Amino acid sequence: GESVGLHLPTLSVQEGDNSIINCAYSNSASDYFIWYKQESGKGPQFIIDIRSNMDKRQGQRVTVLLNKTVKHLSLQIAATQPGDSAVYFCAETLDTGRRALTFGSGTRLQVQP
Amino acid sequence: SAVISQKPSRDICQRGTSLTIQCQVDSQVTMMFWYRQQPGQSLTLIATANQGSEATYESGFVIDKFPISRPNLTFSTLTVSNMSPEDSSIYLCSVGTGNRYTFGSGTRLTVV
Repeated sequence: GESVGLHLPTLSVQEGDNSIINCAYSNSASDYFIWYKQESGKGPQFIIDIRSNMDKRQGQRVTVLLNKTVKHLSLQIAATQPGDSAVYFCAETLDTGRRALTFGSGTRLQVQP
Repeated sequence: SAVISQKPSRDICQRGTSLTIQCQVDSQVTMMFWYRQQPGQSLTLIATANQGSEATYESGFVIDKFPISRPNLTFSTLTVSNMSPEDSSIYLCSVGTGNRYTFGSGTRLTVV
């Protein structure tokens, strides 16, 4: 069957390098943003989130940056590993938990060993 | 986070038939969402399902084509009616609890 992300833009990196995945969001009123990872045959998995009152948030090997001026979100993955290969989506919402998420178009990350 | 059990995980259906997808959540949730993910694409919201009221559909999706049931706070179904090959997609349910959204593993539908 067809894989998730077959027609999405692809970022190819070497194992151990840092990856940066970018996303432009649509609604200037959005106040909550999430990055998801989706592997073939699975639903989206939460990676990291950020609220609109912050411009940076760090997790384990991941950092999310938010630029509200240009409605831009980025996900940085440090020391990328083969297990990071997947499709990555940003999502936005307002009134967290009470409204659905709006997803960005997605980026396929390929990690070369 | 809530845990969602979605089934079937995949199906191959004849055009003109209907398929009902089920999502069971391990806790009571107010908001449940249904998404479609066409091949190689991102997720698009079909509708929001609230218990005790009619589902709210997004532009481009209608109740006759995608009827939704939400009989209680832990369960919902989405039916894809009168299917055509253009309905071949992954269908996902999701719930929002507090500040966390959780997704089912998806139903991969192929219409032949």
